[in-house]
Amino acid sequence: EAQVTQNPRYLITVTGKKLTVTCSQNMNHEYMSWYRQDPGLGLRQIYYSMNVEVTDKGDVPEGYKVSRKEKRNFPLILESPSPNQTSLYFCASSRPPGAEVVPLHFGNGTRLTVT
Amino acid sequence: GQNIDQPTEMTATEGAIVQINCTYQTSGFNGLFWYQQHAGEAPTFLSYNVLDGLEEKGRFSSFLSRSKGYSYLLLKELQMKDSASYLCAVLDSNYQLIWGAGTKLIIKP
Repeated sequence: EAQVTQNPRYLITVTGKKLTVTCSQNMNHEYMSWYRQDPGLGLRQIYYSMNVEVTDKGDVPEGYKVSRKEKRNFPLILESPSPNQTSLYFCASSRPPGAEVVPLHFGNGTRLTVT
Repeated sequence: GQNIDQPTEMTATEGAIVQINCTYQTSGFNGLFWYQQHAGEAPTFLSYNVLDGLEEKGRFSSFLSRSKGYSYLLLKELQMKDSASYLCAVLDSNYQLIWGAGTKLIIKP
């Protein structure tokens, strides 16, 4: 089954304790992206990657890191989480946007609480 | 700047028809998407419009007017399971998705 898998689904942590949210897709998609979703603000892009070893900042990259060492994996790293990073996070993937319709496939989300 | 506007919340009755509007101002345009998102779940793709006009897909239709920077999603024969948020997103000239904040649709029996 074609899917984007995020882990964990729920995470409660304390300020300053480094954490990683994993994302893996089995559709051989070049494009992957991380979003955060907060009430009233919609989806905001954190980082995206057009292919292996190519990553770019989105709209709200501060406090986050990513890596794309393999095509299928795109982990999100919070080196020193703070309470304002409490949010619902989604990983998504697709073929490269361009000449054809390329809807995003989303993971099931990670609800992060930083106390 | 780039901006997408949608109503925050709408209420409709089971069996009725509802139209959710989306207006946009973006740097270029390479298509408009509608996604459905149930509470706490991932968004799922509903429709894509790149040319003016109406695209029909079962009970759901989506309309686009590029000259007016306007789209709507039309849901017919509403069912309780249609209670969800509906997200409008525009692909800009750099092929980046610009998202609206979403419209929460409440269906009443």
